[in-house]
Amino acid sequence: EAQVTQNPRYLITVTGKKLTVTCSQNMNHEYMSWYRQDPGLGLRQIYYSMNVEVTDKGDVPEGYKVSRKEKRNFPLILESPSPNQTSLYFCATSPGGTGYTFGSGTRLTVV
Amino acid sequence: SQQGEEDPQALSIQEGENATMNCSYKTSINNLQWYRQNSGRGLVHLILIRSNEREKHSGRLRVTLDTSKKSSSLLITASRAADTASYFCATSPTGTASKLTFGTGTRLQVTL
Repeated sequence: EAQVTQNPRYLITVTGKKLTVTCSQNMNHEYMSWYRQDPGLGLRQIYYSMNVEVTDKGDVPEGYKVSRKEKRNFPLILESPSPNQTSLYFCATSPGGTGYTFGSGTRLTVV
Repeated sequence: SQQGEEDPQALSIQEGENATMNCSYKTSINNLQWYRQNSGRGLVHLILIRSNEREKHSGRLRVTLDTSKKSSSLLITASRAADTASYFCATSPTGTASKLTFGTGTRLQVTL
């Protein structure tokens, strides 16, 4: 079954404690992207990647890092999380930049 | 920055009625896509319309695009309770195939 798998689904952490949200896809898609969703603001793109070792900043990259060492994985790293990074995060993948398939989301709370 | 703005923010209709949502955007685009999201879950791609297309159909969905007005509309005909969800337009600006910018969404409530 074609899918985008994010882990964990829920995470509560403390300010400053490094964390990684994983994203894995089994569709051999070139494009992968991370979004955060906040009430009233819709979805905002954090980072995106067009291929292995090719990543670029989206609209809200501050406080986040990503890597694309292999095609199927695109982890999102928060080196020093802060409360304003409390949000619902989505990973999405696409074969060519259209018709994205989204993961189920990761609800992150930073206290 | 938000590229798309949906209108209305919320829409409540009865089952069987048609629902129309509008999206306006700011810059020239390669394509415009519509997605549906059920209550905090992942988004599902519904339909894509390219910048050189004016209208597209998929089942009960009809999308129009007016590039001169930088606007699009999504029509859901004969709505069902299962159509209750939030609907987002997303644009891919010209020259940036991988950058997809979403609007703030329209929350549709379909009642029996």
